[in-house]
Amino acid sequence: AQTVTQSQPEMSVQEAETVTLSCTYDTSESDYYLFWYKQPPSRQMILVIRQEAYKQQNATENRFSVNFQKAAKSFSLKISDSQLGDAAMYFCAFYGGSQGNLIFGKGTKLSVKP
Amino acid sequence: DTAVSQTPKYLVTQMGNDKSIKCEQNLGHDTMYWYKQDSKKFLKIMFSYNNKELIINETVPNRFSPKSPDKAHLNLHINSLELGDSAVYFCASSQYLFRYGTVYEAFFGQGTRLTVV
Repeated sequence: AQTVTQSQPEMSVQEAETVTLSCTYDTSESDYYLFWYKQPPSRQMILVIRQEAYKQQNATENRFSVNFQKAAKSFSLKISDSQLGDAAMYFCAFYGGSQGNLIFGKGTKLSVKP
Repeated sequence: DTAVSQTPKYLVTQMGNDKSIKCEQNLGHDTMYWYKQDSKKFLKIMFSYNNKELIINETVPNRFSPKSPDKAHLNLHINSLELGDSAVYFCASSQYLFRYGTVYEAFFGQGTRLTVV
């Protein structure tokens, strides 16, 4: 069975600074996807960034980038130039396997200080 | 146009009642899911359907019964509601089950906050 672990329940960053959120996972699958989702107070789940396991290049989306270490089963999210609107719960998620189970870590609550 | 829509957004009901949450997606996706988010924000999958066929049925009380009348709809019916059922329930959809080399993304509804009193 796959598991996703986020070891930081809460993180805080100063506006305009950079923050890194950690995620590790465990799987025996060789093909899978990894994601970071953002959940602001509005409760909507918003896809931030996606990484295909077969791609060696780390994904980037504007101020968001990942450090994907497949051998270490690590998938961290870096947010550069943090903005007040980045304050939210961030969930790391794994998708793979024949049943296509999308499973989530427990989340990291990110606060952004002005 | 809303891609994945759930109704209602809020539901307050008494213990012992039966209630349903409806979910519809207009993306033409084959796969739909129900997730439960508890008070600690933990998101746990409950069910997934692919082409109206049940694929995943996690350890969920049999008071919870999903119904998929067609590919675009996956409703959740809950019998004999209990206090512990209070949570936010999310519906989601994706184009396929896992396929190597495709771009996978799950789209979520806005959630239904269920409060059992």
